[in-house]
Amino acid sequence: GAVVSQHPSWVICKSGTSVKIECRSLDFQATTMFWYRQFPKQSLMLMATSNEGSKATYEQGVEKDKFLINHASLTLSTLTVTSAHPEDSSFYICSARDPRQGALDQPQHFGDGTRLSIL
Amino acid sequence: GQSLEQPSEVTAVEGAIVQINCTYQTSGFYGLSWYQQHDGGAPTFLSYNALDGLEETGRFSSFLSRSDSYGYLLLQELQMKDSASYFCAVRPSYNTDKLIFGTGTRLQVFP
Repeated sequence: GAVVSQHPSWVICKSGTSVKIECRSLDFQATTMFWYRQFPKQSLMLMATSNEGSKATYEQGVEKDKFLINHASLTLSTLTVTSAHPEDSSFYICSARDPRQGALDQPQHFGDGTRLSIL
Repeated sequence: GQSLEQPSEVTAVEGAIVQINCTYQTSGFYGLSWYQQHDGGAPTFLSYNALDGLEETGRFSSFLSRSDSYGYLLLQELQMKDSASYFCAVRPSYNTDKLIFGTGTRLQVFP
């Protein structure tokens, strides 16, 4: 089945550091991918839609300059948390839909997530 | 705004049946999905309803009433491994597969 890989799975770094998270679709091409943030015991909050070859679409309240998204190829989207601070510590998850499955109502496939801890 | 409300926690014993409700208020509606997430893991797809009625997939069933902006996930013959968080999700736009997730329900199954 469709697989989405996310790397790294766990990051600890100092405040002020920029952190890059990669999301890859391993066996399908995805023109769009999605980035979510999840705080402990809370829901998945959609941050942005990553669009291959064009600018990402950010959800209301998400800082574009803080969370840089690049989707340079059909199999890779990256999320860079710039100048990270302790309040950015969270679980970041990406997802994509396999277009071979047809309609837009087909399920999203999620990466295993990246746990980011800023000291 | 968009809101999908779920009970925060449900408990049950092995072999029992539980129902997790979801009421939604979204800018648009193009289907209700259910996802399961174990602690520290990725969400995995369980079920999907585009039209009113019941969809059955093994031990899991999902129901939708669009007129009531309401759906539920029914889990039968509960097993310990079903202990996890469950999220409903709505696709609010026709031309995108973006999902808005519910508040989530933590299910604890006891022996």
